Amino acid sequence: EDQVTQSPEALRLQEGESSSLNCSYTVSGLRGLFWYRQDPGKGPEFLFTLYSAGEEKEKERLKATLTKKESFLHITAPKPEDSATYLCAVQAEETSGSRLTFGEGTQLTVNP
Amino acid sequence: NAGVTQTPKFQVLKTGQSMTLQCAQDMNHNSMYWYRQDPGMGLRLIYYSASEGTTDKGEVPNGYNVSRLNKREFSLRLESAAPSQTSVYFCASDRGNTGELFFGEGSRLTVL
Repeated sequence: EDQVTQSPEALRLQEGESSSLNCSYTVSGLRGLFWYRQDPGKGPEFLFTLYSAGEEKEKERLKATLTKKESFLHITAPKPEDSATYLCAVQAEETSGSRLTFGEGTQLTVNP
Repeated sequence: NAGVTQTPKFQVLKTGQSMTLQCAQDMNHNSMYWYRQDPGMGLRLIYYSASEGTTDKGEVPNGYNVSRLNKREFSLRLESAAPSQTSVYFCASDRGNTGELFFGEGSRLTVL
């Protein structure tokens, strides 16, 4: 059974204080690992796809990295508008369609 | 450009009542999905449709039925609602097997 565990559950940062979110996963052959952002009362919004260990993707203040067992979402000099819940998900090789297994998310709050 | 549209946004039901959640996408996507999101459980896949005319069970299909009406529309029906079905329901779509899902804003269902 595919599993995704995210830590910490919640993280409070001061504006400009860099940090990282962790996503540990177990999957029977990884097709892709995905990061989404979810704002309160909204649906998740796609951020990144990572396919193989060593791969990195960047978007503004966010950088996602991948190893064989975990992924990190690094947030550099965050701003209050980065406050959201960040979700990690995996897609196994043998699944049909985009059947993703999601973690419970990390709720990030960035204080001004 | 509406993306994925869900109706209704809020609904309160009594135990045993039935209802249908509607979802439509205007991105010409092949695949559509229904997820539920509960505190402490993350997003869980209920049903999905890889293409028009096909539907498959996800992780938590019991108590639900779906209909892929055409390429644009994918509905979720609760035949006899139970309090355990109190949740936020999200519809999503993608081109097919990409993992890059586009989500609607959610339908918040309470079953008393």
